[in-house]
Amino acid sequence: DQQVKQNSPSLSVQEGRISILNCDYTNSMFDYFLWYKKYPAEGPTFLISISSIKDKNEDGRFTVFLNKSAKHLSLHIVPSQPGDSAVYFCAASSSGGGADGLTFGKGTHLIIQP
Amino acid sequence: NAGVTQTPKFQVLKTGQSMTLQCAQDMNHNSMYWYRQDPGMGLRLIYYSASEGTTDKGEVPNGYNVSRLNKREFSLRLESAAPSQTSVYFCASSPVRGVVGNTIYFGEGSWLTVV
Repeated sequence: DQQVKQNSPSLSVQEGRISILNCDYTNSMFDYFLWYKKYPAEGPTFLISISSIKDKNEDGRFTVFLNKSAKHLSLHIVPSQPGDSAVYFCAASSSGGGADGLTFGKGTHLIIQP
Repeated sequence: NAGVTQTPKFQVLKTGQSMTLQCAQDMNHNSMYWYRQDPGMGLRLIYYSASEGTTDKGEVPNGYNVSRLNKREFSLRLESAAPSQTSVYFCASSPVRGVVGNTIYFGEGSWLTVV
């Protein structure tokens, strides 16, 4: 059973517009959420994170929103740029132990069109 | 600044052959991980090592063994490779385990094909 879900395998956005990537989770024990960006033939790189005590975290063009009651988070990229074209993975972890590392979603392929 | 380095980058194996993927990190991290990525499946945890001297199974450990050689190095071994193990393998590390704010850093990946 998937605990972290990214229901959109791909998303196409025009350059300059806002990109919104969505992620849902089912495990109530998750208390830390991250977004990773991955280019082809490279490893995932950390983009932005949010703790469950917050509902928003901003870093330049990237903002992550967390809705704990809905078990939903989203990544907003404004404005979208060609270099943002990549696969974005949502990930979650719990500080209470259990299976370690991060639990990842299947990824969303973001395509920025000129 | 190397970060997480894994070798080899590409490997083709015949069914039944064995091989070891090597990983080293230079960030003085305590925890290390091996993930695999398959099309449409995201990243799945194979094994992890919370600290030097300890290893634990992740989500998909069958067919693999690991060794935490020292704080820097964490290897993944396929004893008898199977076509189902064709995948991209990522080694990763993080400062601590199970702590809010823990960020995992990944290597560049190893592409393994089993024929």
